[in-house]
Amino acid sequence: AQTVTQSQPEMSVQEAETVTLSCTYDTSESDYYLFWYKQPPSRQMILVIRQEAYKQQNATENRFSVNFQKAAKSFSLKISDSQLGDAAMYFCAYGSSNTGKLIFGQGTTLQVKP
Amino acid sequence: DAGITQSPRHKVTETGTPVTLRCHQTENHRYMYWYRQDPGHGLRLIHYSYGVKDTDKGEVSDGYSVSRSKTEDFLLTLESATSSQTSVYFCAISDLGTGRVPSTDTQYFGPGTRLTVL
Repeated sequence: AQTVTQSQPEMSVQEAETVTLSCTYDTSESDYYLFWYKQPPSRQMILVIRQEAYKQQNATENRFSVNFQKAAKSFSLKISDSQLGDAAMYFCAYGSSNTGKLIFGQGTTLQVKP
Repeated sequence: DAGITQSPRHKVTETGTPVTLRCHQTENHRYMYWYRQDPGHGLRLIHYSYGVKDTDKGEVSDGYSVSRSKTEDFLLTLESATSSQTSVYFCAISDLGTGRVPSTDTQYFGPGTRLTVL
């Protein structure tokens, strides 16, 4: 069975600085997807970024980028130029191509200090 | 934003009572999901649906049942609520897939329902 681990329950960053959130996963599958979701205090789950495992190039979305290390089974999220609105809980998720199901990590709460 | 609503948004009930949560979508997406979110566990899949009247279990399905009589509605029922089912429940939808297996298409989430079982 696949597992997703986020080892940092809480992180903090100064506004305008850069922060990296860690995620590792375990799988025997070769074809899968990885996601980062953001959950602000409103509770709404918002997709931040998505990475296909077959792609070597790291995905980027504006200030958000990932460092995908397939051999190491690592999928970290880098947030550049952090803004107050980035404060939220961030979830890493693994998407199985065999079952189509998502497996979520435990989440990392990000605090942004002004 | 994907057109997904959940009702009720908040509910407090007593142990042993039946509870039904509703998810409604306006996107005509094929796949619908119910998750629960608990501290330290992230989101865990309860059940999902791959079409009208077609459902399958997730990793934490015990104590829950689901029904989907129309494409747009997916109901989650707790036949006899227990305190361990106190949680935040999320509905999600996606569209791509083959038969009962959704593709790893992006899932879009509803606003959540906070359920408290006393």
